[in-house]
Amino acid sequence: GAVVSQHPSWVICKSGTSVKIECRSLDFQATTMFWYRQFPKQSLMLMATSNEGSKATYEQGVEKDKFLINHASLTLSTLTVTSAHPEDSSFYICSARVGQGVGNEQFFGPGTRLTVL
Amino acid sequence: GQNIDQPTEMTATEGAIVQINCTYQTSGFNGLFWYQQHAGEAPTFLSYNVLDGLEEKGRFSSFLSRSKGYSYLLLKELQMKDSASYLCAVTGFQKLVFGTGTRLLVSP
Repeated sequence: GAVVSQHPSWVICKSGTSVKIECRSLDFQATTMFWYRQFPKQSLMLMATSNEGSKATYEQGVEKDKFLINHASLTLSTLTVTSAHPEDSSFYICSARVGQGVGNEQFFGPGTRLTVL
Repeated sequence: GQNIDQPTEMTATEGAIVQINCTYQTSGFNGLFWYQQHAGEAPTFLSYNVLDGLEEKGRFSSFLSRSKGYSYLLLKELQMKDSASYLCAVTGFQKLVFGTGTRLLVSP
């Protein structure tokens, strides 16, 4: 099956710094990538939908200036958490979808655990 | 908007059968996914239903009733490794929205 990687797998940073998380589709081209956030014992919450070459679409309540998303190519999307604070500590997961069909399977990356001190 | 409900936790015994229900209200429905997620890991795909009825895949089966906004995941011959969270996710308007997830604990 299709493989999606994320880097780094975990990161610890100081409050006020910025952190960049990369999401790559390794063996397929992903027109659309998604970024999710998951707090402990909770389900995945969609943060934004990222389409290659265009601006990301953010979900209600997600600050686009704080969570910068860049989808520069069909195999790479990045999420930058700017001026991170302890409440941003979470498990960030990306997924990539092949094609435009909403019924097409999404392949998930292994996730990035962010801890902000 | 979208609203997806699942039981928070379930327990079952090794070798038994368990059914995890999911009810949803959504606009622009284009199918329902079930994912399995072990703690600290990404979700892995289990099944996809877009038409009413039962889809069987080995020990796992998934059922959908679009008129009732209802789905279930059936796990047979439970194994200890099946202890995980099971996420129901509904597609609509180009995106996948997850339910609250059900934590399943399988005991010996």
